Amino acid sequence: EAGVAQSPRYKIIEKRQSVAFWCNPISGHATLYWYQQILGQGPKLLIQFQNNGVVDDSQLPKDRFSAERLKGVDSTLKIQPAKLEDSAVYLCASSLGPDSSYEQYFGPGTRLTVT
Amino acid sequence: GENVEQHPSTLSVQEGDSAVIKCTYSDSASNYFPWYKQELGKGPQLIIDIRSNVGEKKDQRIAVTLNKTAKHFSLHITETQPEDSAVYFCAASKSHSNSGYALNFGKGTSLLVTP
Repeated sequence: EAGVAQSPRYKIIEKRQSVAFWCNPISGHATLYWYQQILGQGPKLLIQFQNNGVVDDSQLPKDRFSAERLKGVDSTLKIQPAKLEDSAVYLCASSLGPDSSYEQYFGPGTRLTVT
Repeated sequence: GENVEQHPSTLSVQEGDSAVIKCTYSDSASNYFPWYKQELGKGPQLIIDIRSNVGEKKDQRIAVTLNKTAKHFSLHITETQPEDSAVYFCAASKSHSNSGYALNFGKGTSLLVTP
């Protein structure tokens, strides 16, 4: 079974530029999560999708971050404009969904450096 | 919201010894407690999890215990090997209606197993 795929793996941008990350979850997984992991800390949830609907985006800085999951499969996370403090690893995870499996499987992440 | 505290932040053991990592959580409604192992440059990998209706779970050299009254849970690794060296994260979550389990992570424990 293929795991969660993310691209790009690394990205370096200047502050005030925009950037987008892509995630392809495990086939059949209805729930998709984006987490932000700052160096030396645990991942922090940014947004959670159930199929193509948003379940929780309470910790997403909506003035600069946006995410979508069209057709309930792939997802993109965008930052516009980026700030220095956005430097982090952005992790995508997926799980089967409610009433089935709780386990979340993570992709390798995208390491973003904002200069 | 949920607050997860994890200790110690670093742990060094000799090969063959046991390692114990402890976590506490604040939200008594949390009912799912996974542990993840993260190696350098990779996403977190689920190694074991426990649900609130169980007090202990074991998988080969890894075990997790849960004390719901005290709101703490622990990871036990026996007969440690150098390949166990990594950062370990505990997490806690509770179910949302019609969704999966968004995770609240601890800050991580960097485990070093020396030969």
